[in-house]
Amino acid sequence: GAVVSQHPSRVICKSGTSVKIECRSLDFQATTMFWYRQFPKQSLMLMATSNEGSKATYEQGVEKDKFLINHASLTLSTLTVTSAHPEDSSFYICSVGHGRGDNYEQYFGPGTRLTVT
Amino acid sequence: LAKTTQPISMDSYEGQEVNITCSHNNIATNDYITWYQQFPSQGPRFIIQGYKTKVTNEVASLFIPADRKSSTLSLPRVSLSDTAVYYCLVGDGSNSGYALNFGKGTSLLVTP
Repeated sequence: GAVVSQHPSRVICKSGTSVKIECRSLDFQATTMFWYRQFPKQSLMLMATSNEGSKATYEQGVEKDKFLINHASLTLSTLTVTSAHPEDSSFYICSVGHGRGDNYEQYFGPGTRLTVT
Repeated sequence: LAKTTQPISMDSYEGQEVNITCSHNNIATNDYITWYQQFPSQGPRFIIQGYKTKVTNEVASLFIPADRKSSTLSLPRVSLSDTAVYYCLVGDGSNSGYALNFGKGTSLLVTP
């Protein structure tokens, strides 16, 4: 069964509006979750590391005021795309890491397709 | 994070064995090698992980030479449903909070 869920699976919004994407860890308590973005025919790009109870860590070039991350519980992280523009249209994927060493595995959500019109 | 290099694309016929090699010359002592599979419009899925020598599970084998500067994912007898993008990643496995740095991946096309 699914280990990580995302909601919604796809969303269409108008330019200038904000969109919230939820990522839930179903099997593990996750102090850390990761958010990725993937444009068509490209690889996944890490956007930020979401830390439960503290501020997220953003990768270089990712605007923290535009992509708001909240990790209020051990099973839920949210990504809010504020004032969305067409160039924000992308596939957003979250993941949860679990284990250590050769037992470490990162579980990915099914992704959220965002289209900004 | 160690950089990885793998072929952009590969083609295979059904039933053949497919080997995808990944170079990671700057792999660090704590780094593990992990392979993921991704179908269009889906999140990546874990295939196999190893540190050195050979690892085998129900879907694939992973061969890692002694110097660990490369690794080879082996998919036995591929089927059409194995058409996907395969990513080779290296990362520090000493804690559960490390992020993954995805390279370009290898797009595998399996045809009848």
